[in-house]
Amino acid sequence: AQSVSQHNHHVILSEAASLELGCNYSYGGTVNLFWYVQYPGQHLQLLLKYFSGDPLVKGIKGFEAEFIKSKFSFNLRKPSVQWSDTAEYFCAVIMNRDDKIIFGKGTRLHILP
Amino acid sequence: EAQVTQNPRYLITVTGKKLTVTCSQNMNHEYMSWYRQDPGLGLRQIYYSMNVEVTDKGDVPEGYKVSRKEKRNFPLILESPSPNQTSLYFCASRRGLAGWSSYNEQFFGPGTRLTVL
Repeated sequence: AQSVSQHNHHVILSEAASLELGCNYSYGGTVNLFWYVQYPGQHLQLLLKYFSGDPLVKGIKGFEAEFIKSKFSFNLRKPSVQWSDTAEYFCAVIMNRDDKIIFGKGTRLHILP
Repeated sequence: EAQVTQNPRYLITVTGKKLTVTCSQNMNHEYMSWYRQDPGLGLRQIYYSMNVEVTDKGDVPEGYKVSRKEKRNFPLILESPSPNQTSLYFCASRRGLAGWSSYNEQFFGPGTRLTVL
């Protein structure tokens, strides 16, 4: 079955540390890839997206993600996190011209001041 | 301002009492969907609609109904709520796919926190 896996359920980092959140999907065809962020008490907001072209995608607030097709991965990175990055992060994938977006289970990120 | 609105934002009800959560978008989007968010389970799609009068089941449709009589509205109906439907619900919308070359960002509503006693 098609699925999206986020390896880390809960990540705790200190401010200024580097961040990498893993995301893998199980599908061999064409995909659209997204990272959404949900700040405490708020709704999901789009952080960045990959549709085609350059596999290194830059999003808002200094985040970036790299699509590695051979690894079926779309990991999210940030070189230096801030306390305000405390949130839950969701990877999402559209597979095979399907209108349906499949979400990962989310990674809760907690940044220590 | 482009947005997806949901009402109510918070609701506490009792088992068996029918309720409706409204969802409305002002972006003329074709595609709308409902998700529930539960700790450790992420977002799970309940129902979706690709256009007016076109709806289909998502991953967890049991106990829910939807309707899409107008393009802008997509209400979620719980005919006989049960405690296992206590959750945080999100409505979302985006443009319908118009060929694979299109990209459509999904916009989310603010959420409705439902408690069924």
